[in-house]
Amino acid sequence: GNSVTQMEGPVTLSEEAFLTINCTYTATGYPSLFWYVQYPGEGLQLLLKATKADDKGSNKGFEATYRKETTSFHLEKGSVQVSDSAVYFCALSPPLSGGYNKLIFGAGTRLAVHP
Amino acid sequence: DAGVTQSPTHLIKTRGQHVTLRCSPISGHKSVSWYQQVLGQGPQFIFQYYEKEERGRGNFPDRFSARQFPNYSSELNVNALLLGDSALYLCASSLGRTSGGEGEQFFGPGTRLTVL
Repeated sequence: GNSVTQMEGPVTLSEEAFLTINCTYTATGYPSLFWYVQYPGEGLQLLLKATKADDKGSNKGFEATYRKETTSFHLEKGSVQVSDSAVYFCALSPPLSGGYNKLIFGAGTRLAVHP
Repeated sequence: DAGVTQSPTHLIKTRGQHVTLRCSPISGHKSVSWYQQVLGQGPQFIFQYYEKEERGRGNFPDRFSARQFPNYSSELNVNALLLGDSALYLCASSLGRTSGGEGEQFFGPGTRLTVL
């Protein structure tokens, strides 16, 4: 079946530190991969996505590369800010099946950035 | 442009009651999906509707049902509420059918349901 595994949190960093949040997946075929961010009390916002192997998604200084050989989609940022504190979800969308797409999420990783 | 809107924001019910949650998609979006997010976990897929037809269903009991209206808004209904139904219910809209499953879904702020 399809599943997503993320590193457990919380991840606690100082401002300007380097961030990596690991994400691996299990899927049949070639899924699309996503990172969503959830700020306290809010819904999910798409951070970045990649739709095929070796694609790199990037947004707001965050990056993730679709690695088919290691079935991974790790999230990275070179210098985090306090405002990046949130919960980050890795997700996949299986190849179109039956005329619809759905998202399968990991458990989420809480990031806390301190000044 | 308005994003995905959901109502109500918060809701408190008791066991055995029924609840209806509402969602309005982004203008021009024809597909609505519902997810349940239990505290401390990732969202779980419940339903997807496209052009008023159910296109997908997650592993949820028949107590959960939904429908989509001609204006593409949607309702999620849950009967015979259990304590375990307490969660944040998220609605997401997208343009609709896509190839390769890469269609982007835009999420609303959610409805926080508490079952006592």
